[in-house]
Parts: sequence; C-alpha cells; structure tokens
Amino acid sequence: EIVLTQSPGTLSLSPGERATLSCKASQSVSSSYLSWYQQKPGQAPRFLIYGASSRATGIPDRFSGSGSGTDFTLTISRLEPEDFAVYYCQQYGRSQYTFGQGTKLEVK
Amino acid sequence: EVQLVQSGAEVKKPGESLKISCKGSGYSFTKYWIGWVRQMPGKGLEWMGIIYPGDSDTRYSPSFQGQVTISADKSISTAYLQWSSLKASDTAIHYCARWGFNGDYGYAAYDYWGQGTLVTVSS
Repeated sequence: EIVLTQSPGTLSLSPGERATLSCKASQSVSSSYLSWYQQKPGQAPRFLIYGASSRATGIPDRFSGSGSGTDFTLTISRLEPEDFAVYYCQQYGRSQYTFGQGTKLEVK
Repeated sequence: EVQLVQSGAEVKKPGESLKISCKGSGYSFTKYWIGWVRQMPGKGLEWMGIIYPGDSDTRYSPSFQGQVTISADKSISTAYLQWSSLKASDTAIHYCARWGFNGDYGYAAYDYWGQGTLVTVSS
C-alpha cells in the first residue's frame, strides 16, 4: 500500500502570503492519479487539483500543483481569507486509493 | 448538475446493524465508480472502498475488508454502505464521492462529494 505523508502538519501564515504544502509518497505514484482536496470545518471535501497539476473547474488560479514520482506540492500563491482550511493529497494505484493525513493551513 | 445526496444522521447501539445511502443524480450513475470515505472525529480522510454501479464490481481497502459491505442499486441510482455489527469505533462521518475519470484528459479524482452521514455508535 502506498503511504502519502503530508508536511507540515500545520502551516501558520497570513493572508497575502504564499503557502507551500508537501505530499511525499512511499513509492512512485503516477502523476495522472495524484489529486488535492480542500476541507473546511463542517463541510465535505472540495476537489481542487487532478493529474498533479491541473485545476478543477472553478478553482482560482492562485492554486497550483506540481511534482512527479514521489514528491508533490500544492502552492497557493497569495492566501485569501477563505483559503484557510485543511488540505489533503490523494493517490490511486492498483485498485487502491489513499489519502495523506492532511495539512492544516491556519491564520497566523 | 451532478449531486450526491446522502441519508441522514444515525444513532445506533454497539452490535446493531446499519445501512446508509448515497443517491446520485445529474449524470449517468452506472458509468462512474462511487467511493466511500470515513472521517473519524477530528481526524483525516480514510478510503474505505469503491463500487462500479454498472456491474457492482467492488474493491475494499484492506483496513475495511470484512468490516463493511458496499453495494448499489442502479435502478434507483443509489449506493450503500452497511455494517452488520457496529462498534463504538465506527463513530464517524462517512462520505460518498464520485470517481471521475477521463483517460484522454488525464482526469482522475473524487470530483463530487456527498454531504456526509454522521454515524454515532454509543451504548
């Protein structure tokens, strides 16, 4: 089973700053099957990024994804107040789907 | 508009059985996999399993194999998650989500989510 490890566990930043969230896989992951989600308290997860770097419909261009192999990154270029949430990476491979443990992005 | 609407919150006692549902609309229900994801209180997302309603092909996470049963009734566009004997540790929000896939565009992700069903198991 592929394990996804996200870091940091918590990231404290201010609106307007740049956020960089990491997702590392225990073995190589197909970029086509690496996605990112945002979850706010009391809400279902929201789909952000697919194929490691493509934004889902309606996702602002301040969100970008990158990476390949075992190292993937979600970047938020300039934080807006509504971006403070928990972010999860997720991969699919060999009929198994796994999520990272999440990174909480909080207001500094 | 694609929608996944889940059944309401449940409060059960240990040892009881339960079946929760997820009804899809706005798309061809039989052509997309539906996954189930658990979120225990204050914790992250855990993938439980997935079903293809077109032929009921089902896959489970090793962590949940034998603990839950996933099924679907394509005639009413509804997927189900069931337990035969609940434990207190099953207390969680359970989400269903559609696995959107288009190999031509490299699109593969849980693109639509239900609102979640809170299951509380307590004596």
